[in-house]
Amino acid sequence: DTAVSQTPKYLVTQMGNDKSIKCEQNLGHDTMYWYKQDSKKFLKIMFSYNNKELIINETVPNRFSPKSPDKAHLNLHINSLELGDSAVYFCASSQGTLGELFFGEGSRLTVL
Amino acid sequence: AQSVTQLGSHVSVSEGALVLLRCNYSSSVPPYLFWYVQYPNQGLQLLLKYTTGATLVKGINGFEAEFKKSETSFHLTKPSAHMSDAAEYFCAVEGFGNEKLTFGTGTRLTIIP
Repeated sequence: DTAVSQTPKYLVTQMGNDKSIKCEQNLGHDTMYWYKQDSKKFLKIMFSYNNKELIINETVPNRFSPKSPDKAHLNLHINSLELGDSAVYFCASSQGTLGELFFGEGSRLTVL
Repeated sequence: AQSVTQLGSHVSVSEGALVLLRCNYSSSVPPYLFWYVQYPNQGLQLLLKYTTGATLVKGINGFEAEFKKSETSFHLTKPSAHMSDAAEYFCAVEGFGNEKLTFGTGTRLTIIP
């Protein structure tokens, strides 16, 4: 039973489209994250939610909108996709802080 | 403010040789330090972490790291490399009281048969 699961694993779409990635964790954690990993493997935090409340919102274009319907789910919606949005998006969860994150397997987004 | 520098984006070692991956950090508050490993097409998983106490930390798969405050370093070592160690390794820092984990740029470890 996967601890942090993301869907879809692969997304190929055209510029200008809108897409969503879903994430669910069954670890009972309070905090969930979205990270973006670029083609050089650089990993950057985008958002963090604690008990459905947004606590970290890095300088991400407002075309990206996270939504947390409950503490086990964190979705990411992206409007008007651009070429530069191509990356692997990772969902993660943790119980409190101290950096012990549990990651999903990633969703590879390719914008053509 | 906090940051992490990983020296060497690629490291190659022979099977059975010592693995040494370097990490230096900067933090204005006491740091918590971590090493994560990413196997191809997978998410990251925690190898080991330092929070407080003993400065030599042991992790999974025979890896260990030593926190050296005077050198602001947290290098990762393994005495004898195995083919299955080939992966991308990320050092990360979280400052005490800061809820954000900052990752280094990663080091790709290649094992030569």
